[in-house]
Amino acid sequence: DADVTQTPRNRITKTGKRIMLECSQTKGHDRMYWYRQDPGLGLQLIYYSFDVKDINKGEISDGYSVSRQAQAKFSLSLESAIPNQTALYFCATSNRAGDTQYFGPGTRLTVL
Amino acid sequence: GESVGLHLPTLSVQEGDNSIINCAYSNSASDYFIWYKQESGKGPQFIIDIRSNMDKRQGQRVTVLLNKTVKHLSLQIAATQPGDSAVYFCAEIHGGYQKVTFGIGTKLQVIP
Repeated sequence: DADVTQTPRNRITKTGKRIMLECSQTKGHDRMYWYRQDPGLGLQLIYYSFDVKDINKGEISDGYSVSRQAQAKFSLSLESAIPNQTALYFCATSNRAGDTQYFGPGTRLTVL
Repeated sequence: GESVGLHLPTLSVQEGDNSIINCAYSNSASDYFIWYKQESGKGPQFIIDIRSNMDKRQGQRVTVLLNKTVKHLSLQIAATQPGDSAVYFCAEIHGGYQKVTFGIGTKLQVIP
């Protein structure tokens, strides 16, 4: 079984809709992250969480929100999706700061 | 993952040859560096890391070189195989997890 899983893997939605992307991990890591990846750009950090009660904004948090429901679960929401949020979204986990991050398989989101 | 490879620098190598992928990083205060491999349709996978107090680190068929003077990182893959075809990108980290910057990546194509 994969250590970091993301659902859904693909999603097409319309402008203005609310979307939730989910991430679960079985690695027992405290730290979880959400990134987006666009063609020609490096991964950009949206939000990160060092534990259940600690959530921090990343570089591009506008238009996104997150929820850390448990150590193993970290969800990303787009309250009102817009076309420029079309991207690949990755969840990642790590044991502590600066350590290797383990990525999920990604969610391809298309906003029409 | 298919769109990740668009607009990226591409390196084509013959199977069995050695590959060298380069990365110029931006922050002289970065103290930890990671190389990731991203295959089409998958999330990034850790390959090898190096701390700023080192200039070379070897793994299985891979070597990372760090030149802090010119802020340059390279990944060498020995005896490149078809399974090495992927996008490779570096990440620089400093201040614990205060700042992580990912490169845009290089697409490696292995010619059988």
